[in-house]
Amino acid sequence: ETGVTQTPRHLVMGMTNKKSLKCEQHLGHNAMYWYKQSAKKPLELMFVYSLEERVENNSVPSRFSPECPNSSHLFLHLHTLQPEDSALYLCASSQEGGTGMQQFFGPGTRLTVL
Amino acid sequence: DAKTTQPTSMDCAEGRAANLPCNHSTISGNEYVYWYRQIHSQGPQYIIHGLKNNETNEMASLIITEDRKSSTLILPHATLRDTAVYYCIVRPYTGNQFYFGTGTSLTVIP
Repeated sequence: ETGVTQTPRHLVMGMTNKKSLKCEQHLGHNAMYWYKQSAKKPLELMFVYSLEERVENNSVPSRFSPECPNSSHLFLHLHTLQPEDSALYLCASSQEGGTGMQQFFGPGTRLTVL
Repeated sequence: DAKTTQPTSMDCAEGRAANLPCNHSTISGNEYVYWYRQIHSQGPQYIIHGLKNNETNEMASLIITEDRKSSTLILPHATLRDTAVYYCIVRPYTGNQFYFGTGTSLTVIP
């Protein structure tokens, strides 16, 4: 148990559906992240929020839309996805600043796009 | 992009020490070395980090060479539950990104 929870743990959706992934951290951190991990590929950083402001968007397609309403919650809104978007989506949080910063990861949401 | 090089896979006998190497020859003086592991289909788990001194915690030891161009993660008594992909990451001093490479897939054999 890392203090970062994600829901749902598994999601199957069609290409025309709209769904949202939710992440919540109970660690008092001020930065949150979305990562994508496709099969047999390294983790890819998608979005970074620091103090609820988006500071990084690594050229992610617009069909992925993040939202960070407060420092404890992070959402990833999905619409008109493609089958190649099927992957494990991981959320992480950290306390920005300092030299010992580490990221704490949630268990992930396994997404399948049909 | 990842600034580290790790072997693709390794095996280790249960109960023996697992030594996982990592090369980071372009590391800067103020960059830290972090180790994470990822058990199949779970989120990565922090193991240990260091700057230039050797570090030890309840999970592992981290040995960093004097020139800081390489390091070794040591799991002193590997168990079957240590089977995972282990990532060696060099973190930039500024910013908060972690760049995960392909890591080393460690299999602990009974």
